[in-house]
Amino acid sequence: GENVEQHPSTLSVQEGDSAVIKCTYSDSASNYFPWYKQELGKGPQLIIDIRSNVGEKKDQRIAVTLNKTAKHFSLHITETQPEDSAVYFCAASIGGGTSYGKLTFGQGTILTVHP
Amino acid sequence: DAGVIQSPRHEVTEMGQEVTLRCKPISGHNSLFWYRQTMMRGLELLIYFNNNVPIDDSGMPEDRFSAKMPNASFSTLKIQPSEPRDSAVYFCASSLTSGDLAKNIQYFGAGTRLSVL
Repeated sequence: GENVEQHPSTLSVQEGDSAVIKCTYSDSASNYFPWYKQELGKGPQLIIDIRSNVGEKKDQRIAVTLNKTAKHFSLHITETQPEDSAVYFCAASIGGGTSYGKLTFGQGTILTVHP
Repeated sequence: DAGVIQSPRHEVTEMGQEVTLRCKPISGHNSLFWYRQTMMRGLELLIYFNNNVPIDDSGMPEDRFSAKMPNASFSTLKIQPSEPRDSAVYFCASSLTSGDLAKNIQYFGAGTRLSVL
């Protein structure tokens, strides 16, 4: 089955700096890669996603890149703010067919943004 | 929409007791997922349903765990008997699974924090 590795496990940055979180996946059939943000006491929430027919996607201060050949994808947060502090999860999925959108999650990255 | 609703938010029980966690998916969604989150193991998929039918329960840790989805708007995860190592946060998520990948987004509930003493 699919295996997703995520690094780093913790990341500490100063407000205004950029933060980068990287993930690798094992199943070349995976074609959907969402990123979730989990704040304390809450469930994970989707912040951005990318599909295998796209190499990069941007939404304001966050962007995701995908390298299908190397089977890795990354989350980039620019101009970080204290409210970006949370746990971030990457995930991979084989969209459609009989997988029914099953997600395999990475281990998570605890991001701390210091004012 | 109110989103995915889970109850209770917190559950404290004694070892050996039966625990039932509940989930109401987003109206119109046809897939439902149960996850367990711990510090050691992260987010683990336990079981998922499509159109109320269990598709894959390979993540269910033991026979003490069971899940049902009697209709499109309700699902339960039951642990009987509960053990201290079952202490975790349990999440339910739902999605509209279709051939259009743009709709295969999972929405999570706020979770149930279970403590088994």
